[in-house]
Amino acid sequence: GPKVLQIPSHQIIDMGQMVTLNCDPVSNHLYFYWYKQILGQQMEFLVNFYNGKVMEKSKLFKDQFSVERPDGSYFTLKIQPTALEDSAVYFCASAKDWGDEQYFGPGTRLTVL
Amino acid sequence: GDSVTQTEGQVTVSESKSLIINCTYSATSIAYPNLFWYVRYPGEGLQLLLKVITAGQKGSSRGFEATYNKETTSFHLQKASVQESDSAVYYCALSPLSGSFNKLTFGAGTRLAVCP
Repeated sequence: GPKVLQIPSHQIIDMGQMVTLNCDPVSNHLYFYWYKQILGQQMEFLVNFYNGKVMEKSKLFKDQFSVERPDGSYFTLKIQPTALEDSAVYFCASAKDWGDEQYFGPGTRLTVL
Repeated sequence: GDSVTQTEGQVTVSESKSLIINCTYSATSIAYPNLFWYVRYPGEGLQLLLKVITAGQKGSSRGFEATYNKETTSFHLQKASVQESDSAVYYCALSPLSGSFNKLTFGAGTRLAVCP
């Protein structure tokens, strides 16, 4: 089936630094999502994005988080500055239309030291 | 808010034996949410395994099945005879929007290990 790719698969970073997580969505998809899963806990919705804009975000989407998809390239999640509690696996997903099945990437494991 | 609780941690089953992974839900925003089972194989993204959007109905895929029980607010995943290739992490999820995959709430996941 359609594949979503995430780069890198692992990222280790010092607290306070900036990190960018990259997502390569399915080519004809228009809606993009980020989810966060802390070890041992459930995966939780962070944000969704369409037509260059954040449509919805959860309380987990802190002010230090931002998303963009410049010129139809990667859909990115940027955290600046990072905090210890940002350590988690971040999953990207994309969907063709609003409410459609979301296709998920394999995740990026972020470790903040 | 909405929540999903499923069998915790890891389940180990011998090949060809039966499997059940429990899932119960609580939906505060809608009486009958859409219910889903997702699976994540090693190194891959989450994949939709099956979905049921109507209370009382059963969904099935790849030998797995789950019945939407509104009385017990449960959506247990079952398979009569597991194979080694079923080893993966399984997630129960719900969406409060009729017919939609949006606003997904996930359980914590259950790792299935199938032994030869």
